[in-house]
Order: sequence, then C-alpha cells, then structure tokens
Amino acid sequence: GNSVTQMEGPVTLSEEAFLTINCTYTATGYPSLFWYVQYPGEGLQLLLKATKADDKGSNKGFEATYRKETTSFHLEKGSVQVSDSAVYFCALSGAQGGKLIFGQGTELSVKP
Amino acid sequence: KAGVTQTPRYLIKTRGQQVTLSCSPISGHRSVSWYQQTPGQGLQFLFEYFSETQRNKGNFPGRFSGRQFSNSRSEMNVSTLELGDSALYLCASSFDFYEQYFGPGTRLTVT
Repeated sequence: GNSVTQMEGPVTLSEEAFLTINCTYTATGYPSLFWYVQYPGEGLQLLLKATKADDKGSNKGFEATYRKETTSFHLEKGSVQVSDSAVYFCALSGAQGGKLIFGQGTELSVKP
Repeated sequence: KAGVTQTPRYLIKTRGQQVTLSCSPISGHRSVSWYQQTPGQGLQFLFEYFSETQRNKGNFPGRFSGRQFSNSRSEMNVSTLELGDSALYLCASSFDFYEQYFGPGTRLTVT
C-alpha cells in the first residue's frame, strides 16, 4: 500500500541556517504530494503541494520538488527563522484525492 | 472566508460512553475528511464524506462512524469509548479532494 517516510526529528537549527527535511514515498500510480505544518496547539496548515513529477511547490520561502525517479519530496528553506519552529508533515494522496497518508512528522526547533 | 470550525475543542469522557464531534467546512467545500492524531500512531485517516455519502474509509473499528448533512457539515461518533481513543481528532474540508484545509481539532480525553 501507499506510505510516506520522513526523517526522524527533532531537528535543531540556529536562525538563518539551511533546512532540509527528507521525505520519501511509496505509491502506485501518480500521487499528489503535500507538506503540512502544525504549530503547537493548532491543526495542520497546508504549506505547499505538487501534483506531478518535476513540479516544484513553494510557499513562505519553503520549497519541495516532486522527484518521481527517487520517489522523494524533500522540504527545503534557505534561511530558517525562530517562527518556523513547528512539526512538519509530508503527505500523499492517490489519484482520486481525498484520503491523505502522512509521514510520522518531523519536529523543527530553531534557536535564536 | 471563515476556516474549518470544530466543536467542541476539548472533551473529557469516561470509558464506555459515546461522543459526537462536529465539523463545519469552509463555505463551498463539499468534501469533509476526519483524521485521528496520537503520539504513537501519528495521523491516521478515519473517513471522508462527499455529498452526504461516505467516499473513503480508513481502518478503524465500527465504533467509529460519521455522517454528513445536506449543508456539508459533518459529525463523527465514537461509541463505547476506550482509553486508546484519547486523541486529537482533526477535520479537513476540500473543494477538489486534493487541497485539504484543517480545523483546529477536538482534543478528546477518555478516563
């Protein structure tokens, strides 16, 4: 079945450091891929998405490229801020959409 | 536009009781999905409704059920509560089945 694997956290970075959170997936067909972010005590916010191979999703300085050859969708940001501290989830949905399958989440802590 | 709203935000129940959680989607969104979030199992899909019909179902026991009304509002019900049902229950709505927008969740504690 479909699945998503993320790098384990927590990830601790200094402000203005470069961020990479690895995400790989297993899926039949052509899934859509997403990154969600969850701040403490809140629900999930859609950060970015990509719906086909080689698409690059971007938002608020975060980027991720849909790599079908490596079944990956790594999240990157060039310069993190303290306000980026949160838990990040990689997710996929199948061809019909609807059901999201999530990775286990990666906690990011950014220190000033 | 108002976001997805969930009520109540917090709930404490006793084992064996039942509970109903409510979700109001973003205006114009007809698809509503429910997820359970726990520290041990992470985020797991419960079910999805569209136009009052269940479109997808996850691997949860029959004690977990849901429904959707004609105005797209949705409810989920858990009967015969167990300690392991303690979780954050998240509702998400979507216009196109792909971009899902989540509410703040209902924190259920079973004692």
